[in-house]
Amino acid sequence: AQSVAQPEDQVNVAEGNPLTVKCTYSVSGNPYLFWYVQYPNRGLQFLLKYITGDNLVKGSYGFEAEFNKSQTSFHLKKPSALVSDSALYFCAVRILPSGNTPLVFGKGTRLSVIA
Amino acid sequence: KAGVTQTPRYLIKTRGQQVTLSCSPISGHRSVSWYQQTPGQGLQFLFEYFSETQRNKGNFPGRFSGRQFSNSRSEMNVSTLELGDSALYLCASSFTGELTYEQYFGPGTRLTVT
Repeated sequence: AQSVAQPEDQVNVAEGNPLTVKCTYSVSGNPYLFWYVQYPNRGLQFLLKYITGDNLVKGSYGFEAEFNKSQTSFHLKKPSALVSDSALYFCAVRILPSGNTPLVFGKGTRLSVIA
Repeated sequence: KAGVTQTPRYLIKTRGQQVTLSCSPISGHRSVSWYQQTPGQGLQFLFEYFSETQRNKGNFPGRFSGRQFSNSRSEMNVSTLELGDSALYLCASSFTGELTYEQYFGPGTRLTVT
């Protein structure tokens, strides 16, 4: 069964410093990987996705993620964190080509950017 | 384009009652998925509809059901509510439901069961 793990419940980083939110996955085939962010009292917002091609994916709000097949990871990164980046971040996976499998989400990582 | 809308935003129900939640997808999107979000279990997939057909169903009891209309709007119903059904219910729409397409989420309906 496909699964995704976010090993850190909470990540704290100072404003202006680089941030990394970790995600590892376990699938039997090739994965489609997604990152979403959730602000308080809001739904999830799409940040970026890896489908195929370049392992470094750039997304919204200056975020990027690196797909590493050998380490089965898809860590989210940003060179310089902003206080407004503080939110709950979810990694999600779908596998292909197995039909219409739903998104499987990690438990989420709460990012806190301190001024 | 308007985003995904969900109604109502907040709901308080009593154990044993039933509830219907509504979701209007982004215009042109034909796939609608529903998720339950709780602090303990995180985001769990409920079901997915595409062109009025249920294509996928998560591991939830039969008390949870849904449907999709010809205009792609979707409803989910929970019968015989239990305290454990208290959660944020999120609806997400996608252009076709193909694996490569990202989903766009609504703000959710927060259901409290007392």
